[in-house]
Amino acid sequence: QSALTQPASVSGSPGQPITISCTGTRNDVGGYNYVSWYQQHPGKAPKLLIYDVTNRPSGVSNRFSGSKSGNTASLTISGLQAEDEADYYCSSYTSTSTLVVFGGGTKLTVL
Amino acid sequence: QVRLQESGPGLVKPSETLSLTCAVSGYSISSDSHWGWIRQPPGKGLEWIANIFHSGGTNYNPSLKSRVTISIDTSKNQVSLKLISVTAADTAVYYCARRVAYSLDAFDIWGPGTMVTVSS
Repeated sequence: QSALTQPASVSGSPGQPITISCTGTRNDVGGYNYVSWYQQHPGKAPKLLIYDVTNRPSGVSNRFSGSKSGNTASLTISGLQAEDEADYYCSSYTSTSTLVVFGGGTKLTVL
Repeated sequence: QVRLQESGPGLVKPSETLSLTCAVSGYSISSDSHWGWIRQPPGKGLEWIANIFHSGGTNYNPSLKSRVTISIDTSKNQVSLKLISVTAADTAVYYCARRVAYSLDAFDIWGPGTMVTVSS
């Protein structure tokens, strides 16, 4: 059981927006602005999309955006594209001794 | 361009010690930076294992702390991980990664990963 809760799967049609949620507690997502999002294609290493809740690393499409409300963080992908089909993971700093926790991952299917 | 490359034995017997190395190129690990190891069992999610600061300070996942050691060799520009008393549950792809400066959880550069299977 992962420390952060994500939906197992989401789907959308090309051009549509989708949002993936990541729910934690006040000890992690809700307590700090250290939430990250990763995209992982099969057989590949994760790729950082968002860090510190809303920041996008250089080179990441502005179709990806992050936000947070209370204990839940969200990744929004605007204008879905076929290449967005992948697994998505959130992570957060936690004040518990674990330090870094991940969500269980969400499989995005582009219809 | 910063590149990370993990290397390891591929196959380890139960109860033995797993040793992994992450070679860093295009960046000096002596710089103000954190490095981490994350693993992913087949078909499952990501699990953070440990972090190390360029000066040697470390943090460990409590669930693995008693079995794991992370270290840094600035002369070779590499980061290493040692996991003792392995079991089948340690079978996973092991990634090394560089942590984003001033962030507490984000990793921006990842190696391609190395698959480790624990089996007799």
